[in-house]
Amino acid sequence: ILNVEQSPQSLHVQEGDSTNFTCSFPSSNFYALHWYRWETAKSPEALFVMTLNGDEKKKGRISATLNTKEGYSYLYIKGSQPEDSATYLCAFTTGNQFYFGTGTSLTVIP
Amino acid sequence: KAGVTQTPRYLIKTRGQQVTLSCSPISGHRSVSWYQQTPGQGLQFLFEYFSETQRNKGNFPGRFSGRQFSNSRSEMNVSTLELGDSALYLCASSWGGTGELFFGEGSRLTVL
Repeated sequence: ILNVEQSPQSLHVQEGDSTNFTCSFPSSNFYALHWYRWETAKSPEALFVMTLNGDEKKKGRISATLNTKEGYSYLYIKGSQPEDSATYLCAFTTGNQFYFGTGTSLTVIP
Repeated sequence: KAGVTQTPRYLIKTRGQQVTLSCSPISGHRSVSWYQQTPGQGLQFLFEYFSETQRNKGNFPGRFSGRQFSNSRSEMNVSTLELGDSALYLCASSWGGTGELFFGEGSRLTVL
């Protein structure tokens, strides 16, 4: 069983703060790393699909980086807003199946 | 474009019963995968179907089974329910299996 770890488990920030989370995954047999955002009472939605070492992706105030050699990815949120409150999941795949982390729960306080 | 639809959304069963959950993927998606989420756990992979064939299976007992129909709709079945099977069951569809996953809202199963 492959281990995908996310930290921190939860985070409370003030509106306007910038924040970042970490996803650690096995550095061998890498195929892709996904980030999903999961709001309460909704379904998880994809933020990024990253495949290449050194990849950097950005969507509005959210960006992510990928280091496949050392097995980690960072997700950054700049200027957090209350609507960013959600659980952020990362998922590692070898090409066969997905291995999800337990997520980082972000609460943005107005 | 309709999203992934899961039915039923909520259900309550008793130990020893069986349950069938349904998932209708996004039109054109041929891969459907199933996940279990219990408190404190990440999404645990159950199985993935592609064009009616099970391609991958997670580490779950044989009580958990699934199938996919020719229209890509998928069902999962859990027999002889145990209290520990209480969970949110999510299905996700995608074009090829390892691309972006599109999730349904889940079926929340409570076993009493």
